[in-house]
Amino acid sequence: DAGVTQSPTHLIKTRGQQVTLRCSPKSGHDTVSWYQQALGQGPQFIFQYYEEEERQRGNFPDRFSGHQFPNYSSELNVNALLLGDSALYLCASSLNGGNTGELFFGEGSRLTVL
Amino acid sequence: ELKVEQNPLFLSMQEGKNYTIYCNYSTTSDRLYWYRQDPGKSLESLFVLLSNGAVKQEGRLMASLDTKARLSTLHITAAVHDLSATYFCAVVRDDKIIFGKGTRLHILP
Repeated sequence: DAGVTQSPTHLIKTRGQQVTLRCSPKSGHDTVSWYQQALGQGPQFIFQYYEEEERQRGNFPDRFSGHQFPNYSSELNVNALLLGDSALYLCASSLNGGNTGELFFGEGSRLTVL
Repeated sequence: ELKVEQNPLFLSMQEGKNYTIYCNYSTTSDRLYWYRQDPGKSLESLFVLLSNGAVKQEGRLMASLDTKARLSTLHITAAVHDLSATYFCAVVRDDKIIFGKGTRLHILP
């Protein structure tokens, strides 16, 4: 049973570019949430997707957008990259909109912006 | 606005000793998670606490939740080196998940 998978694992971009990160949830899960973790910090909630809609959003600018597909996989898009966007981006999946318990995290995508 | 505070942020302790990590949060919550993170790795789920008075134990770790005090504790019994890691609590309210800054635990032989 595959857990949460994310791609790519590492990538390097330059300021002003755009990036797309991908996440496949754990089998049977229907909810995906995204987090940004800067070095030495706790994860910061970006947004959550359930039934292909953004249910909740943290304090991130509109440069951060996402999408959930009918198969429950998800993408995180970041436009006009800034140096401060360098971080580990984590995807977590859960069941029933996250109301029934555990969040399972992927290994993350480490983004470096030069 | 929901805020989550952990303390201590850094903890160095001897093997065999007991210690407690505290997680305070500012508003009512739907549930609380504890996670472990090793350097360069993702988050490993330790406990999910759903209701007041909930207590869960796994090996040398025990977590509890007091919703009236808005406090969760993670207690480490007879620490061993393998428990060295960063521990996060995360609190859920209205589908927003807010993490604490983490407690970096270093266990000395």
